[in-house]
Amino acid sequence: DAGITQSPRHKVTETGTPVTLRCHQTENHRYMYWYRQDPGHGLRLIHYSYGVKDTDKGEVSDGYSVSRSKTEDFLLTLESATSSQTSVYFCAISVGLTNTEAFFGQGTRLTVV
Amino acid sequence: QKEVEQNSGPLSVPEGAIASLNCTYSDRVSQSFFWYRQYSGKSPELIMSIYSNGDKEDGRFTAQLNKASQYVSLLIRDSQPSDSATYLCAADTGTASKLTFGTGTRLQVTL
Repeated sequence: DAGITQSPRHKVTETGTPVTLRCHQTENHRYMYWYRQDPGHGLRLIHYSYGVKDTDKGEVSDGYSVSRSKTEDFLLTLESATSSQTSVYFCAISVGLTNTEAFFGQGTRLTVV
Repeated sequence: QKEVEQNSGPLSVPEGAIASLNCTYSDRVSQSFFWYRQYSGKSPELIMSIYSNGDKEDGRFTAQLNKASQYVSLLIRDSQPSDSATYLCAADTGTASKLTFGTGTRLQVTL
């Protein structure tokens, strides 16, 4: 357990509404990531952060924004949820000597209806 | 070509046998590789990391990296029903410690 907590764990929301997912870590790791996981696509990187207020886009960033105002919290916002954003979302942090080993939170299952 | 590719399976092996999971990668990834195990409905769990050419053993697991052929494999000896899961291969992209993942291989260990 790398001290990562995601909230909420499950959410159902309506198309067009904004949604924010939270990732909280307790061990002061610099790098944090948001992935989504869909059948047939595996894990795909949405956004990542390399420090407070330092974020960048990943492979599938359209329709998503992130913020990191504190080391321990990394927020993912779906600005206007669409059915294609129904997915399981995982937050991860990097640890290890060269920051490459990643550990995942429990995941958030988001359904957009 | 995708950066990391895996056969989706399912790979079925009898209990007690050796399960061999394979992953190939492109030139676009770095030279650090990881194997994750994911049970249905759960998050990925890191089980092996390998950074240099050759074999790395940890209990019943052995990771093998062959840079010349650009493949990484995971061997699970004495397979148990509890090993039934999806195994994800991941590679470091070399930038900001980002990982790129294969789509995973589902392993079924039968009694």
